[in-house]
Amino acid sequence: EPEVTQTPSHQVTQMGQEVILRCVPISNHLYFYWYRQILGQKVEFLVSFYNNEISEKSEIFDDQFSVERPDGSNFTLKIRSTKLEDSAMYFCASSEVGTATQYFGPGTRLLVL
Amino acid sequence: RKEVEQDPGPFNVPEGATVAFNCTYSNSASQSFFWYRQDCRKEPKLLMSVYSSGNEDGRFTAQLNRASQYISLLIRDSKLSDSATYLCVVNRDTGFQKLVFGTGTRLLVSP
Repeated sequence: EPEVTQTPSHQVTQMGQEVILRCVPISNHLYFYWYRQILGQKVEFLVSFYNNEISEKSEIFDDQFSVERPDGSNFTLKIRSTKLEDSAMYFCASSEVGTATQYFGPGTRLLVL
Repeated sequence: RKEVEQDPGPFNVPEGATVAFNCTYSNSASQSFFWYRQDCRKEPKLLMSVYSSGNEDGRFTAQLNRASQYISLLIRDSKLSDSATYLCVVNRDTGFQKLVFGTGTRLLVSP
């Protein structure tokens, strides 16, 4: 069964450093998303991406965040200058055309020290 | 008011029990509804979509009441492996719209 994959599974970084989280969506999906979940809290939407541009973003997704589809398979989330409060689980998701059902990757656990 | 509200639980039930979870949503424009399951420190996994007519998948039954903006999930004959957090999720429209998650209801099934 096709699935979303994410790398790395864990990342530890120092405050102020840049991190790039990587995702490979399901191959025939055209809509891509990033969500985050701070420990003990609910899953929160960050951004959606379609046709090589952001289609919607939340207030969390400020200028420190960016997304990119650098090639035909990868979808990345970059955090330019990490803050302590960026520590969370980051999930990538993807969906097919014409459906609201989203499939999630296993997540990257980011710890900012 | 939260966009999606759920009782956080935990619900502690013995194996074989029937358990029901409820969820309310505030945005009447919501079009798509789901139950996801999340195991500890894992990703949300789609359990089932929820349709207006109600739908069943094995031991799981989901109901939607648009007038009351209320969604439910019924689990019959609970198994130990059903222990997880159940997430109520809504979406404004089909296509590339964000999913809005509830905080989840934790279920613990004991022998």
